[in-house]
Amino acid sequence: GAGVSQSPSNKVTEKGKDVELRCDPISGHTALYWYRQSLGQGLEFLIYFQGNSAPDKSGLPSDRFSAERTGGSVSTLTIQRTQQEDSAVYLCASSLEELSSYNEQFFGPGTRLTVL
Amino acid sequence: DAKTTQPTSMDCAEGRAANLPCNHSTISGNEYVYWYRQIHSQGPQYIIHGLKNNETNEMASLIITEDRKSSTLILPHATLRDTAVYYCIVRVYGAGNKLTFGGGTRVLVKP
Repeated sequence: GAGVSQSPSNKVTEKGKDVELRCDPISGHTALYWYRQSLGQGLEFLIYFQGNSAPDKSGLPSDRFSAERTGGSVSTLTIQRTQQEDSAVYLCASSLEELSSYNEQFFGPGTRLTVL
Repeated sequence: DAKTTQPTSMDCAEGRAANLPCNHSTISGNEYVYWYRQIHSQGPQYIIHGLKNNETNEMASLIITEDRKSSTLILPHATLRDTAVYYCIVRVYGAGNKLTFGGGTRVLVKP
């Protein structure tokens, strides 16, 4: 079946502009995660959605970052007033979270964001 | 989540077994060992996980020491497509747990 998809695959923007990144999780997956990977760095957790629960926003680096998940499916990560340090690959992952499963996270291909 | 320590890089000959070590000396009793890998320009991919028993699937084997303070991921017959960064992650089993990635081991499989 279809995996996690993300769009756009590449985004180049100017400093100060807002950007929106989209994630389509695997159908039926109740949990959705956003991570980012800066050049030469490891993956950094940003935010987590699970069903109708309040999202875990503990990884968001500043209030310029926000995310929403509509209808328990598609998610949008928004970065306002982008800065050059926001340049990174933004990865989305989804999982079917049940207490009896090991909650394997399936990752999308990522969106490469470049802020000029 | 417990911190993990992995070698920065290692080379492996094509067709040979690749043994990737991971230290997790502060692991708690309810934490599992997970392995993911990231091939260049792709998102991470789940490989295997385990608690205390050795595990094997179609991709790899996971050997966990009796004291659970270290583990080894084994790729039995490495191919060029196995060239990737391999991440050892320790996390609590169950819902809602984000993955905390360290630096991983950059594995280069050579012909």
